[in-house]
Amino acid sequence: KAGVTQTPRYLIKTRGQQVTLSCSPISGHRSVSWYQQTPGQGLQFLFEYFSETQRNKGNFPGRFSGRQFSNSRSEMNVSTLELGDSALYLCASSLGDRGTDTQYFGPGTRLTVL
Amino acid sequence: AQSVSQHNHHVILSEAASLELGCNYSYGGTVNLFWYVQYPGQHLQLLLKYFSGDPLVKGIKGFEAEFIKSKFSFNLRKPSVQWSDTAEYFCAVNARGNAGNMLTFGGGTRLMVKP
Repeated sequence: KAGVTQTPRYLIKTRGQQVTLSCSPISGHRSVSWYQQTPGQGLQFLFEYFSETQRNKGNFPGRFSGRQFSNSRSEMNVSTLELGDSALYLCASSLGDRGTDTQYFGPGTRLTVL
Repeated sequence: AQSVSQHNHHVILSEAASLELGCNYSYGGTVNLFWYVQYPGQHLQLLLKYFSGDPLVKGIKGFEAEFIKSKFSFNLRKPSVQWSDTAEYFCAVNARGNAGNMLTFGGGTRLMVKP
């Protein structure tokens, strides 16, 4: 089975711009979660989508948003970029069953905000 | 809210030494526990997981972890490390009360194994 894929792998933007990142989950997985990884804050949960609905949300401002399509692919959007948004954004997919679910991570999109 | 702490931020070992990385979590309910590894230049990979049953779980590459409920701990162990184990290790928790996935990660431990 192919793993989780994320596009693009690298992105450079300037402050104030917006960006859209894409994630394709493992075939058959219905849950997609997004995480931000920075040297200072480590790995932090952004949100989770399951069956096109946001099921969980982390403690990030409203500039961070996402959506999921009927084929389980997901996108996340960051509007009005700030320097502090520079990070590795990781997508993880899982079957989505409650209780005993295992997330598998993609390679990430490295976003640099100048 | 749950939290996870990993006591050692950096660990340096020689090959064949034994490894134990500490992980403690804070949450009053039932949890799913995970260890992930991030090798240099690679993405996060699952090492092992605990959902229920035998508190001693075995993972890939000779790693194992023990869940001690009374201590809220899930320490990772390997009897004899290799140079290829050089990586960053993350402990993570998902509270069973959550509907779905919301992993809380520890700060990570960077392991360097000297040949």
